[in-house]
Parts: sequence; C-alpha cells; structure tokens
Amino acid sequence: EVQLVESGGGLIQPGGSLRLSCAASGFTFSSYDMHWVRQATGKGLEWVSGIDPAGETWYPGSVKGRFTISRENAKNSLFLQMNSLRADDTAVYYCARGPHKYCSGSSCSSHFVYWGQGTLVTVSS
Amino acid sequence: DIQMTQSPSSVSASVGDRVTITCQASQGIGSWLAWYQQKPGKAPELLIYGASTLQSGVPSRFSGSGSGTDFTLTISTLQPEDFATYYCQQANNFPLTFGGGTKVEIK
Repeated sequence: EVQLVESGGGLIQPGGSLRLSCAASGFTFSSYDMHWVRQATGKGLEWVSGIDPAGETWYPGSVKGRFTISRENAKNSLFLQMNSLRADDTAVYYCARGPHKYCSGSSCSSHFVYWGQGTLVTVSS
Repeated sequence: DIQMTQSPSSVSASVGDRVTITCQASQGIGSWLAWYQQKPGKAPELLIYGASTLQSGVPSRFSGSGSGTDFTLTISTLQPEDFATYYCQQANNFPLTFGGGTKVEIK
C-alpha cells in the first residue's frame, strides 16, 4: 500500500524558515517524480514544486528562489525547504507522487496519483 | 502560465442527477488533463488522467472527455458520496496549474 506521511509543519513568523518532510513507503520511491501541492484554508489547490528521480526540479514563480525541493532516495524521503516565508504561504502542504510513466511521444503527464494527508504551515507573527 | 477555468464554481444537484463540469485551458494542452475529487478535511483523490482514462478503483459513473482547450467531467448518476469539490489540472506544462474548483452540493 502506498503511503505518504508529511511532517514538519507548524507556526512560523514572517521571514522565517521551515523544512517539511515526506516519508514514502509501499513503492519504489527512486523511480517516481514527487511533488508538493498546497491549499490555503477554503481555497483551491496550488502546485508548489516537483522533482524527478534524478533530481531535476521545477517551481512556479510564486515560490521560486524561496523554496527548495529535494529528495533522499536511500531514505525514501522528500523535503521542502521554505525560506523567507510570508503570510500568503499559510496553507496545508501535501506531498504527492507522480504516475508511472504516462507518455505520448516526448510528452509525459505530471498528474498526482497518491497524496499524503498534509501538514499545516501557519505564517504569522 | 496556463490558466485553467472551471465552471460552474458550484452546482446544486440531487441523488440520481447527471452532473457536468467543464474546464477550459488558456492554451492547448492536448489530452494532458487530470480531474480530482476532494472531500472536506481530506486530501484530493485522482479520478481521471489523460482527459478520459479512469483511475483504478474509480466508479464508472465518472467519465472525462475533451482535448485541446475544452474538457468535461461527467457524473452520470450522482451518488451521496459524490458530494465534494472537483478540480481539473493541466499536467504537461510547468508550472502545473489547477482550476478553481467546482463544489457539488446537495439540492
């Protein structure tokens, strides 16, 4: 059974840093893209970052330069280092796994097959 | 960035109704679209990927269609457990982006 368990959330002051972790089990972690997706209370979903098995990373403009995604395949672990936190970073942060390769030609799908239960990050003074 | 526009933002329906949700991309995305269901306090769950491929374990009353910029999620016969919020997501261009969500409420 695939399991993704996030940890590391909490209350942090604006400008501070926090590191989230995601412990994965039930699949060959080193073979899959992994992502972070967040959701502010009562709001929609926002993709925050992604990383492929080799360590290539992707970010949206809203977090680029502030957030860093990384992985440790030997420990089946995914991380999100968040710096210069702002009030609008307040959200539940989900860890999510990508699909087994679902491609057509040179294009592949980056959807989210499995999700963790999330960890709450609150940025407030 | 590719903008994803869902409509309606909410819909009231009864058990047994047919419900259709639309999602429009600001530029062509082929068939690289996924749909998710989210219930209050829970993580989203994947329903459909590749615009029309049902994820394993998802009931057949859910179906997806479309390509390019216009997509549809249909629930053929609404069941009590289907009252939830539904999101589309374009899955081929970074940054990955979601629609704003459609809340399916009990009429």
